[in-house]
Amino acid sequence: DAGVTQSPTHLIKTRGQHVTLRCSPISGHKSVSWYQQVLGQGPQFIFQYYEKEERGRGNFPDRFSARQFPNYSSELNVNALLLGDSALYLCASRILNANYGYTFGSGTRLTVV
Amino acid sequence: DAKTTQPTSMDCAEGRAANLPCNHSTISGNEYVYWYRQIHSQGPQYIIHGLKNNETNEMASLIITEDRKSSTLILPHATLRDTAVYYCIVRVAWEGSEKLVFGKGTKLTVNP
Repeated sequence: DAGVTQSPTHLIKTRGQHVTLRCSPISGHKSVSWYQQVLGQGPQFIFQYYEKEERGRGNFPDRFSARQFPNYSSELNVNALLLGDSALYLCASRILNANYGYTFGSGTRLTVV
Repeated sequence: DAKTTQPTSMDCAEGRAANLPCNHSTISGNEYVYWYRQIHSQGPQYIIHGLKNNETNEMASLIITEDRKSSTLILPHATLRDTAVYYCIVRVAWEGSEKLVFGKGTKLTVNP
């Protein structure tokens, strides 16, 4: 079975631009979450989506948005990029209401210059 | 809003047990403790999780104190490939949502 897949793996953007990151969850996983990991820190929660609805949002500005599609894949969008948005963006999926852990993708490394 | 405290780094000899401690004194009754590890900025890898009881799987054992204020992850026979950053995490749930709250992690180095 394929794991959680994220694209692209690496990305370089200029300040002020916008970016779209993509995530495909494990088949059957309807919950998708996004995390930001700045170098040297643990991942921080950005969003959780379940059944195409936003269920939770972390302490991130409105420049960050996301959506989930009918096939449960998800996109994370960041507008007006700042240098501080440079990070590893991780997507995780799991089956809700089941006693399992989250499976993370390998992440997208975003560098803002 | 980190809910866990871990040592910054630890060393372990290859073949020996690695015992990684974690404090989560503010954990609530319905919040699970998860352990993940991360190697070279890859995605975090799930190890084990528990609520109240001790748990064991093919990778590790999780010992949770009776008051649930701390836990220990045990890798019974550490290998060089176990060198990684280990995160002790609390899964927080609220109003139909949930999130993993990561701490800063422990950098475990397994030495030959």
